[in-house]
Amino acid sequence: QSVLTQPPSVSGVPGQRVTISCTGSNSNIGAAYDVHWYQQFPGTAPKLLIYGTNSRPSGVPDRFSGSKSGTSATLAITGLQAEDEADYYCQSYDSRLGGYIFGTGTQVTVL
Amino acid sequence: QVQLHQWGEGLLRPSETLSLTCAVYGGSFGEDYWTWIRQAPGKGLEWIGEINHIGGTNFNPSLKSRATISIDTAKLQFSLILRSVSAADTAVYYCARVSWLGKLDYWGQGALVTVAS
Repeated sequence: QSVLTQPPSVSGVPGQRVTISCTGSNSNIGAAYDVHWYQQFPGTAPKLLIYGTNSRPSGVPDRFSGSKSGTSATLAITGLQAEDEADYYCQSYDSRLGGYIFGTGTQVTVL
Repeated sequence: QVQLHQWGEGLLRPSETLSLTCAVYGGSFGEDYWTWIRQAPGKGLEWIGEINHIGGTNFNPSLKSRATISIDTAKLQFSLILRSVSAADTAVYYCARVSWLGKLDYWGQGALVTVAS
């Protein structure tokens, strides 16, 4: 089964820089398909946070950024804030699946 | 501003058929795809399938045999049918728009479907 692997959790203190990795394979991220990131608060729908590896929709703070290298992508939060405490998912297209795949999800905790 | 609103039966018994509909407000179907995603309690997101404005569909192979997605362009609605449900299909189901680059930029509010005997 095609899957994007993320760490289950990351944590940091306010103001810290934290990163979330998203590891795929040659049938998805490594095949140059775009990577997108979503933020989800409990009981609500995911919200698009980063698209096309490193573009932000209108209204998303610039402390969120993305990057990609090889078969992996990374979401960085620079200047962590209490309101960033949420679950984060990466997403891409997988040629073996013939559709979209999501990361396993990462819970960000602000200490 | 595009908004998606979804609805459907929330409690099903095993072997019954799940039916959800998503209405699109503030936009048109255009060239985009429209998709269904689900999230089991405490779990991650799973892509179910998608449809475009002329009815072309793609499905997750794991659900393809049980799922149907249809579209009503006049009503600006699209629907998901999932047959022969089991407890494993208990999840919050989301509809969403798949736009340029394959990003899901607009989401419905989600609908919890529970399968229990």
